[in-house]
Amino acid sequence: QVQLQESGPGLVKPSQTLSLTCSVSGGSISSDSYAWNWIRQPAGKGLEWIGRVYSSGGTNYNPSLQSRVTISVDTSNNQFSLNLSSVTAADTAVYWCARRYYYFDTAGYHDAFDIWGQGTVVTVSS
Amino acid sequence: EIVLTQSPGTLSLSPGERVALSCRASQSVRSSYFAWYQQKPGQAPRLLIYGTSRRASGIPDRFSGSGSETDFTLTISRLEPEDFAVYYCQQYGSSPFTFGPGTKVDFK
Repeated sequence: QVQLQESGPGLVKPSQTLSLTCSVSGGSISSDSYAWNWIRQPAGKGLEWIGRVYSSGGTNYNPSLQSRVTISVDTSNNQFSLNLSSVTAADTAVYWCARRYYYFDTAGYHDAFDIWGQGTVVTVSS
Repeated sequence: EIVLTQSPGTLSLSPGERVALSCRASQSVRSSYFAWYQQKPGQAPRLLIYGTSRRASGIPDRFSGSGSETDFTLTISRLEPEDFAVYYCQQYGSSPFTFGPGTKVDFK
């Protein structure tokens, strides 16, 4: 059973860089059928997709964050990471990593964000 | 960016009732890339429905999804006590992937 686990500092100072890692256990991060995503949710608010990375290293980011975000993959350690620079209080949120899995079978095409980590709270404050 | 709108914001219901949650998209969404999630306080979103109408692994058959293009619906045929939660829709066919603001289903 594949599991994801976020880790990183729970408190980051304004203007600094938020850095989180998602460790993948129970399966390999390296497959053309996966994309690895970061999603966040400020307290009491909705969900925001931050971006994704493939095991090849290819990335896509939300334009609202693109100038500040970098997502990278480390296949040797079966993990991927999020860096968000120049943070402000508006970046305070629960951050999740999630797997997008797509494949074909006899029932057709399947594509879903099927596995999520438990989430980690990041507070931006001096 | 595709904006998703969910209505209503909150529904007050009783166990055993049938409920239909609506999600409307600002542009057409490919049906293969539309999902519904359930979220309870302090928990990660739980995938219920993907590809508009496919139930995720382990999801009871009282949950069903339907719709196309800009109008999608999550139906719970008979509310169980554990179904009281917030429900989000998501499109992931056009980047940036977006979520609706959520519908809270609470006890009447």
